[in-house]
Amino acid sequence: EVQLLESGGGLAQPGGSLRLSCAASGFTFSSYAMRWVRQAPGKGLEWVSAISGSSGTIYYADSVKGRFTISRDNSKNMVYLQMSSLRAEDTAVYYCARRGDHSYMDVWGKGTTVTVSS
Amino acid sequence: DTVLTQSPATLSLSPGERATLSCRASQSISNFLAWYQQKPGQAPSLLIYDASNRATGIPARFSGSGSGTDFTLTISSLEPEDFAVYYCQQRSDWPLTFGGGTEVEIK
Repeated sequence: EVQLLESGGGLAQPGGSLRLSCAASGFTFSSYAMRWVRQAPGKGLEWVSAISGSSGTIYYADSVKGRFTISRDNSKNMVYLQMSSLRAEDTAVYYCARRGDHSYMDVWGKGTTVTVSS
Repeated sequence: DTVLTQSPATLSLSPGERATLSCRASQSISNFLAWYQQKPGQAPSLLIYDASNRATGIPARFSGSGSGTDFTLTISSLEPEDFAVYYCQQRSDWPLTFGGGTEVEIK
């Protein structure tokens, strides 16, 4: 079964850091680009970052550029989102998603919740 | 950035009725548009890709149309499990962007 499972969310102070992880299973991980998408409480979806299968191409939303770093370890079937200089507006459920064969997000994890508050 | 504007924000309908959801792009995105469904407490799931193609396992009552800047998601006859929030998303250019969502609620 194709599956994504996020972890690493929690409470962080403004200015603090967190690292999110996403474990993939059931597919050839290195063949697929991956994305992070977030959803603030009661709000819509916001794309955060994307990484190609080889890690050769990386993109960030302007709202997180310079503060968040996406990476992956194909030997472990993992993708990561290192978040630093956290702000209250980063509070959200963070989903990892696979860029599927038709170039859209066809598999999603259940999400991990990040709360930034003092 | 390509802004996607969804309308209406809320659609109040009864089971069995037809739902028509709109997504308008601020610039032409060809047919590079997807629709997702999100139920409360769940992750989004892919319904339609490239404007008009149903994703694997999606029932035929869901259909998408449009190209350029105007797109439509139609649910021909609402089932109880279709009451949810629907988002459009473009992949024509970076950054990837989503519409603000349309909630289909039970009337």
